[in-house]
Amino acid sequence: SSELTQDPAVSVALGQTVRITCQGDSLRSYYASWYQQKPGQAPVLVIYGKNNRPSGIPDRFSGSSSGNTASLTITGAQAEDEADYYCNSRDSSVEVFGGGTKLTVL
Amino acid sequence: EVQLVESGGGLVKPGGSLRLSCAASGFTFSSYSMNWVRQAPGKGLEWVSSISSSSSYIYYADSVKGRFTISRDNAKNSLYLQMNSLRAEDTAVYYCARGKTYYDILTGKQSYYMDVWGKGTTVTVSS
Repeated sequence: SSELTQDPAVSVALGQTVRITCQGDSLRSYYASWYQQKPGQAPVLVIYGKNNRPSGIPDRFSGSSSGNTASLTITGAQAEDEADYYCNSRDSSVEVFGGGTKLTVL
Repeated sequence: EVQLVESGGGLVKPGGSLRLSCAASGFTFSSYSMNWVRQAPGKGLEWVSSISSSSSYIYYADSVKGRFTISRDNAKNSLYLQMNSLRAEDTAVYYCARGKTYYDILTGKQSYYMDVWGKGTTVTVSS
């Protein structure tokens, strides 16, 4: 079965740039989508497709992809960006989520 | 306002059954595929099942195949998840999520994403 691998935890200083990565074979065929989840809340879509942000998502969030790796970049991280981030990709007919990355903003 | 509201969660004994519902509003429900995604306590997101707009295509995670059944009623703007033979490891918050597809003409790559999520309903399987 397909897997998506994420670093369990990443930290960034307030106002700095951070990249969260996601690796998996399915990413060679499908773009990842990225979700932000804060404690006790439902996930929120932040990036989909090549590099698309839903309405209401700040432009400091961006996405990129190369080979089997997808990346979510936050340029100028804010305190409110502290959350868990999950990547997701389709693999044939099923959906796969990465294990999640806990982002700490210092 | 686009909204998804789950219901039907609760405490059930191992081997028991439960039916979850998801009520959609604010959009044309019959035009979208739908998903169930769950999250065990302290764990990450796990996709459970998806159903196409007309119910023609249905898929399940291996962990629930043969025990769970997804369905929808477009006339009632509702999504369902019938859960049978429940196990302790099915304990989780269950979210319903709307699915959409993005296609990049230049690269030929697709992205399937879940753009609207409900707040979730909690299922606890315990004796």
